[in-house]
Amino acid sequence: SQTIHQWPATLVQPVGSPLSLECTVEGTSNPNLYWYRQAAGRGLQLLFYSVGIGQISSEVPQNLSASRPQDRQFILSSKKLLLSDSGFYLCAWSSQNTIYFGEGSWLTVV
Amino acid sequence: EDQVTQSPEALRLQEGESSSLNCSYTVSGLRGLFWYRQDPGKGPEFLFTLYSAGEEKEKERLKATLTKKESFLHITAPKPEDSATYLCAVQVGSGGSNYKLTFGKGTLLTVNP
Repeated sequence: SQTIHQWPATLVQPVGSPLSLECTVEGTSNPNLYWYRQAAGRGLQLLFYSVGIGQISSEVPQNLSASRPQDRQFILSSKKLLLSDSGFYLCAWSSQNTIYFGEGSWLTVV
Repeated sequence: EDQVTQSPEALRLQEGESSSLNCSYTVSGLRGLFWYRQDPGKGPEFLFTLYSAGEEKEKERLKATLTKKESFLHITAPKPEDSATYLCAVQVGSGGSNYKLTFGKGTLLTVNP
């Protein structure tokens, strides 16, 4: 069966510091991969999606970036975090028209 | 612009008290409507996908229905363990392998014993 792992689960970072969130999927090959953000009082917002290695599409202009160095690995990064980057970040993958989410990473920028 | 609106924002029920959650949408080219359940501090858990008006799906105490403008999630005789935020999402587009979803803000359901 397919599983998705996302880490770290929580982190507190100062403004201006870098960020790296990592996600891996097991039990499938060539999945579509996604990064979503869930901020307080707002719905889930799609940040990036990838249909293959090195193929990244951005949905929202921001100071975040994403990379897919391997088939089942998806990384969310920032060089300098802003206070507004705080939120709950979710990695997801899709199969047969259904998107499945990981457990999420809580980011607090202070 | 595609819009998904869920109501009510919060709903408090007594155990056994049936009710419905609403998801109304304004999109062009609906490919699918999705329901998820999200527990506090966790990622959303997939419940149902509906593709066409008139379609219904059931899982335990939950039943999802779809019309051309909205979807309902009916909860029959809920239990405290049904307490969660229920999210609705729509998938639009003309095709391809990319499944992008637009989410509503969710309905926070609390079921008291």
